[in-house]
Amino acid sequence: IAGITQAPTSQILAAGRRMTLRCTQDMRHNAMYWYRQDLGLGLRLIHYSNTAGTTGKGEVPDGYSVSRANTDDFPLTLASAVPSQTSVYFCASRDSSYNSPLHFGNGTRLTVT
Amino acid sequence: LAKTTQPISMDSYEGQEVNITCSHNNIATNDYITWYQQFPSQGPRFIIQGYKTKVTNEVASLFIPADRKSSTLSLPRVSLSDTAVYYCLVGATTIYNQGGKLIFGQGTELSVKP
Repeated sequence: IAGITQAPTSQILAAGRRMTLRCTQDMRHNAMYWYRQDLGLGLRLIHYSNTAGTTGKGEVPDGYSVSRANTDDFPLTLASAVPSQTSVYFCASRDSSYNSPLHFGNGTRLTVT
Repeated sequence: LAKTTQPISMDSYEGQEVNITCSHNNIATNDYITWYQQFPSQGPRFIIQGYKTKVTNEVASLFIPADRKSSTLSLPRVSLSDTAVYYCLVGATTIYNQGGKLIFGQGTELSVKP
């Protein structure tokens, strides 16, 4: 089934550790996004990529980095995790065609202790 | 980038029509309005999209006035399964218009009761 795959589904991580959240899509969408969702704060954009080889900062980029080596993959890295990064992380993608909507993965629930 | 404002929560009963309004006063000429639905433990999913006037699909209707500074998502005859968070998103028509940033508002938590 075509879509977005995120891994892991959930993770408990000690503060100070490095962690990479994986996101892979098989729809050949040009644009990809990472959002975090916290109770009462809705979805906040962390980083985005319009096309392979380019990335941009969203609303809350500090403490996160991304790379876009190819069209399908858009990993999100926490270099040194902190408890405030405890959240649910959603990856999304969309096609570059006119008015294409976002397609979301099912999220990664990350707890930093 | 247009900022959106929605009610934080709404309550309804089964069989009623629900209207959720989103304000986006600084919407740009190229921006479209898209609504998403999110169930617990799932990513948001697309419901409906429009630019102006009225759009209807098998799930919902979207009403957009001439000034486009607000939009209203209408869900006809809701059921318990419509309990979810609904997000209004205002963004560029293609990823090349505004650098690809798509900023969500806080969303509206709709609770449908029997």
